Amino acid sequence: AQKVTQAQTEISVVEKEDVTLDCVYETRDTTYYLFWYKQPPSGELVFLIRRNSFDEQNEISGRYSWNFQKSTSSFNFTITASQVVDSAVYFCALHSGYSTLTFGKGTMLLVSP
Amino acid sequence: DVKVTQSSRYLVKRTGEKVFLECVQDMDHENMFWYRQDPGLGLRLIYFSYDVKMKEKGDIPEGYSVSREKKERFSLILESASTNQTSMYLCASRNPFSGTGSDGELFFGEGSRLTVL
Repeated sequence: AQKVTQAQTEISVVEKEDVTLDCVYETRDTTYYLFWYKQPPSGELVFLIRRNSFDEQNEISGRYSWNFQKSTSSFNFTITASQVVDSAVYFCALHSGYSTLTFGKGTMLLVSP
Repeated sequence: DVKVTQSSRYLVKRTGEKVFLECVQDMDHENMFWYRQDPGLGLRLIYFSYDVKMKEKGDIPEGYSVSREKKERFSLILESASTNQTSMYLCASRNPFSGTGSDGELFFGEGSRLTVL
């Protein structure tokens, strides 16, 4: 069985603060893929990143960065210098084996001006 | 621009009514999915389809059925709507994993918010 835990239900920050969203996963497979999705108030989930289990390099895309650590089964997401437009629900997800994608329960990020 | 289109953004139905939620994708994807999203519970998989006329139960299939007669269309059916099916329903599609490139990415529709009174 696979599982994704996003322990932070809601995070509130003030604009320009850095914020890290945690994601911890469980799987018995050695090959797996991790994802982050953003769901703005409009409702449509937007793909942010995909990472496979053999690539532990951290990734940076503008103000977004991801820290993948197999030793702790974590795939954390950091937003640097947060902006109001970053306010959304963020989902971490896991795909392994022949399973479908398993989502965490999401973290709601509120960025106030 | 790739697109997953859900037929209705908001629906209000009465208990016992039969409800159809339609989803169409224009990316020629093989796999399609229906999720429901509830506060505090995240996204839960209802049904999915690997290809035309194929369907598989997800984690919470009870009270739902699906239909996939054409590759681009995946319908979710509530045979007899109940109040506990009030929720946001999300459709998604993708191509199967091949282990290369950026595959496996799910493309989502905007969601259908169903209220059952």
